[in-house]
Amino acid sequence: NAGVTQTPKFRVLKTGQSMTLLCAQDMNHEYMYWYRQDPGMGLRLIHYSVGEGTTAKGEVPDGYNVSRLKKQNFLLGLESAAPSQTSVYFCASTYGGQVSYEQYFGPGTRLTVT
Amino acid sequence: AQKVTQAQTEISVVEKEDVTLDCVYETRDTTYYLFWYKQPPSGELVFLIRRNSFDEQNEISGRYSWNFQKSTSSFNFTITASQVVDSAVYFCALRWAGDSGTYKYIFGTGTRLKVL
Repeated sequence: NAGVTQTPKFRVLKTGQSMTLLCAQDMNHEYMYWYRQDPGMGLRLIHYSVGEGTTAKGEVPDGYNVSRLKKQNFLLGLESAAPSQTSVYFCASTYGGQVSYEQYFGPGTRLTVT
Repeated sequence: AQKVTQAQTEISVVEKEDVTLDCVYETRDTTYYLFWYKQPPSGELVFLIRRNSFDEQNEISGRYSWNFQKSTSSFNFTITASQVVDSAVYFCALRWAGDSGTYKYIFGTGTRLKVL
């Protein structure tokens, strides 16, 4: 049981390049989330998904796209990277429903855009 | 709008001192959940506690305790007899549903605790 995994762990991009971050969970969770963490800003929600085939915008969605083709995977794409997207990206998953469980977080991806 | 405020950006204490981390939240939902997470220097996020809006009982787990007060919209976290291993950034978070019925989480900006 690996929990939540993120690929890659580190990446350096040049402005204008594209990339995809992969998040995978093996806990059969309905909900999945992408956050970015910047110094002094806490974690800010980029996009989230409440089930396979669904996605929704969070607090800071601009410049990012997501897809959830399979329940266990949630992909975050940057089509044209900008220096402002330099950040640490965390993926999280949890059960849905009214009874709330904690979010399980991946180890994070450190992205630098030069 | 939903909001979580952690006004203490950084706290330094000497080992064995007690320390309280403050968390104040805003939400229109009547049913909501509050969380605390720890982020040690290694960077991962570690779940500490979950509390729902109908349960105002305080909780104690070893050296950790939490005080939830709906009247003041606060969910404070106290570490008793702090240790160097407690040095980390601590995040308070709120889960809410709102009109959409889907669940989102909002995090505070975190409090960096340094135990010297």
